[in-house]
Amino acid sequence: EVVLTQSPATLSLSPGERANLSCRASQSVYDYLAWYQQKPGQAPRLLIYDASNRAPGIPARFSGGGSGTDFTLTISGLEPEDFGVYFCQQRSGWPPTWTFGQGTKVEV
Amino acid sequence: QVQLQQSGQGLVRPSQTLSLICAISGDTVSNDGTAWNWIRQSPSRGLEWLGRTYFRSKWFTEYAVSVKGRISINPDTSKNQMSLHLESVTLDDTAVYYCARAIGTYNSFDSWGQGTLVTVSS
Repeated sequence: EVVLTQSPATLSLSPGERANLSCRASQSVYDYLAWYQQKPGQAPRLLIYDASNRAPGIPARFSGGGSGTDFTLTISGLEPEDFGVYFCQQRSGWPPTWTFGQGTKVEV
Repeated sequence: QVQLQQSGQGLVRPSQTLSLICAISGDTVSNDGTAWNWIRQSPSRGLEWLGRTYFRSKWFTEYAVSVKGRISINPDTSKNQMSLHLESVTLDDTAVYYCARAIGTYNSFDSWGQGTLVTVSS
């Protein structure tokens, strides 16, 4: 099973600052990586799919990059509503399985 | 705009069966461009994919190894919904359960239900 390791565990930043979140896979997942934002009491919301594609309705300040085993989610110009926990998620294997990272908490 | 509405019991006794429903609007469970998934979240296990069902000329289901043998996911085309049944539950099955849709490359989940907290307790 592919293990995803996210860092840092917590990120405390001010509005307007840039946030860089990391996700590392235990083996190559090609570009089959997604990022989600979750706020308390809510379901995760898809932000980025296939490593670098923004989901519909997601603001341009969210961007994803990387391939293989190292991936980054960047939030350029943090807004107060960007607080929450961010998860990365990968798909691999056949039949396929999906696994998630443990999350990075962003405090704004 | 697809919407997923979950329903089902919030309290299950140990060794009993957990049952949840995910009602779909704005899409159809038999759409051959989609896959319908169950995912759960707990403090101890994090987010965990449990299984999926999808239609490609016939119905397919796939389950996570961690719950295989105890889990059943079934589509209901007459009600445009899918169900989750998890047998022989233990305290470790306590979690928030989500249904979620995957489309396109099926590598991610673009729409989620609201979540159902299921507590396993005697």
